[in-house]
Amino acid sequence: GAGVSQSPSNKVTEKGKDVELRCDPISGHTALYWYRQRLGQGLEFLIYFQGNSAPDKSGLPSDRFSAERTGESVSTLTIQRTQQEDSAVYLCASSLAAGTGNEKLFFGSGTQLSVL
Amino acid sequence: AQRVTQPEKLLSVFKGAPVELKCNYSYSGSPELFWYVQYSRQRLQLLLRHISRESIKGFTADLNKGETSFHLKKPFAQEEDSAMYYCALTGSSQGAQKLVFGQGTRLTINP
Repeated sequence: GAGVSQSPSNKVTEKGKDVELRCDPISGHTALYWYRQRLGQGLEFLIYFQGNSAPDKSGLPSDRFSAERTGESVSTLTIQRTQQEDSAVYLCASSLAAGTGNEKLFFGSGTQLSVL
Repeated sequence: AQRVTQPEKLLSVFKGAPVELKCNYSYSGSPELFWYVQYSRQRLQLLLRHISRESIKGFTADLNKGETSFHLKKPFAQEEDSAMYYCALTGSSQGAQKLVFGQGTRLTINP
């Protein structure tokens, strides 16, 4: 595709429900990142994938959060038993193969999650 | 641990005036630094990276390891520079892939 695609663009859910957020990276990009941006805050690192494995999950805020990636392509971020504090924009980004860490990240438009 | 600090949440300057967005970092290794920008209703995108020593849209940034800073500068601000700017840091060693962002500075250029 032309860029990183995220779906849905907006998700409204009730507290306690599970949600799944999807990210389609740019074809050929082996690195994929998830960030969270709460209102008025900066970008908070959640997890990154190199291929299908996640060398760094240090940013996942709790065990309610999980992510997977298959086929070195699509990734899903799952939030179980959502809480109001999970409300945020969830951003996905991808970049070319891992190297020195100097690669340019390409961002999606984000998923705006609202937990009522 | 990697940490990026952007001390100004908001910055407002007049068109034609110089602008400087401050960024300080904390990292024990050799850092790679970046500035990302988000214009209104657009995606977050890379503005420049220190390793390229480039000037993009008139902006430059110099890595000062002594002061652990990577301030973004432009001598004459333009209205289209109004945007949210994020400083970001990663390590240069293999495997150090996590890109850590600062809190961001909202720059407003007044006519």
